[in-house]
Amino acid sequence: EIVLTQSPATLSLSPGERATLSCRASQSVSIYLAWYQQKPGQAPRLLIYDASNRATGIPARFSGSGSGTDFTLTISSLEPEDFAVYYCQQRYNWPPENTFGQGTKLESK
Amino acid sequence: EVQLVESGGGLVKPGGSLRLSCEASKFDFNNAWMSWVRQAPGRGLEWVGRIKRKSDGGTTDYAAPVKGRFTISRDDSKNTLYLQMNSLKTEDTAVYYCTTERGSYYDYWGLGTLVTVSS
Repeated sequence: EIVLTQSPATLSLSPGERATLSCRASQSVSIYLAWYQQKPGQAPRLLIYDASNRATGIPARFSGSGSGTDFTLTISSLEPEDFAVYYCQQRYNWPPENTFGQGTKLESK
Repeated sequence: EVQLVESGGGLVKPGGSLRLSCEASKFDFNNAWMSWVRQAPGRGLEWVGRIKRKSDGGTTDYAAPVKGRFTISRDDSKNTLYLQMNSLKTEDTAVYYCTTERGSYYDYWGLGTLVTVSS
């Protein structure tokens, strides 16, 4: 069973700053990792898949990197609408039990 | 743009049953793999199960906590996905999201429907 651990649990930053969110897998998931954004009262939205590919319509300020066990989501310059909870998800193993990380809350300082 | 609209949530007693529906539009539902993902209040995301498209066998898979109690089905003629939930437990309380599944990622999501299991 692969466990995804996200850090930090909460990240406090100001608009215009750079955000770096981490997701660590308990064993290698190759590049098979995605990132989702969830705003309060809304459904999650796919941002990044296969570690570094932006999903349709996702702004270029969002980027993903990493492989194996260590992954990063970077938001180059925070916009007010970026403050949300971010989840990582792996698709390397089957069945996808515990497929999501526990989330990082990105809040406005 | 892809639309997924869940319905059927509500309050049910432990041991009871509920059927959720997800009406899909503006994409080729017949050729889509579909999943259900849930989120307990104030908690993270949990995969519930999925159903493949008919051309891939239409088979289903379930997470361990719901296996044997939940059943996913689809009616391609109605562009609708279903989640039949039986023997409900308090820990099944959550918002249930219908999602499209592409390469085991969840690329489009509905707004969700709340299921509350309480006596």
